[in-house]
Amino acid sequence: EDKVVQSPLSLVVHEGDTVTLNCSYEVTNFRSLLWYKQEKKAPTFLFMLTSSGIEKKSGRLSSILDKKELFSILNITATQTGDSAVYLCAGVTSYGKLTFGQGTILTVHP
Amino acid sequence: EPEVTQTPSHQVTQMGQEVILRCVPISNHLYFYWYRQILGQKVEFLVSFYNNEISEKSEIFDDQFSVERPDGSNFTLKIRSTKLEDSAMYFCASRLEADQPQHFGDGTRLSIL
Repeated sequence: EDKVVQSPLSLVVHEGDTVTLNCSYEVTNFRSLLWYKQEKKAPTFLFMLTSSGIEKKSGRLSSILDKKELFSILNITATQTGDSAVYLCAGVTSYGKLTFGQGTILTVHP
Repeated sequence: EPEVTQTPSHQVTQMGQEVILRCVPISNHLYFYWYRQILGQKVEFLVSFYNNEISEKSEIFDDQFSVERPDGSNFTLKIRSTKLEDSAMYFCASRLEADQPQHFGDGTRLSIL
């Protein structure tokens, strides 16, 4: 059975801190790994990672995939209160099915 | 920016009744999905749909569930005889091509009484 595990489950930081969110996966017919940010409603897409060792960046967010260790991390530097959300990672199979982790709840205090 | 839209945002139904959840995927997307999230639990895959047929379904997606793309824009999930345990947030997602990310709608909160 496919499995994705995220850690930590929750994280409380202050504005300006840097955070690292972890995601390990065991997904049959693995194709890629996706990171989403979920605030009140729809998960919104952050990154799609297909190749090992290639960092993807978007502003203060970055992410990398290790296909040998079956692991990905999401980094957020200089956190802001607007970064408070649930961060989800999901393994994607070749048929497109997403297997989600349980999410990391990030709370950023002013 | 194009988005996936879902209606209604909240549906309350009596146990045993049929319910249809509606989704309008992004217009040129080819792959369509339903997921659900029971309160406090992970988002779970239900079904994927491509080229007018189901390409994969989970164990949750039993005979009580069906999907349809009745026209060129809508994608529906029907639950024939709802149970209390069907109460969840249901998300629709779509993607353009096989190596593109899925984009999600805001979800329909289904409450079974």
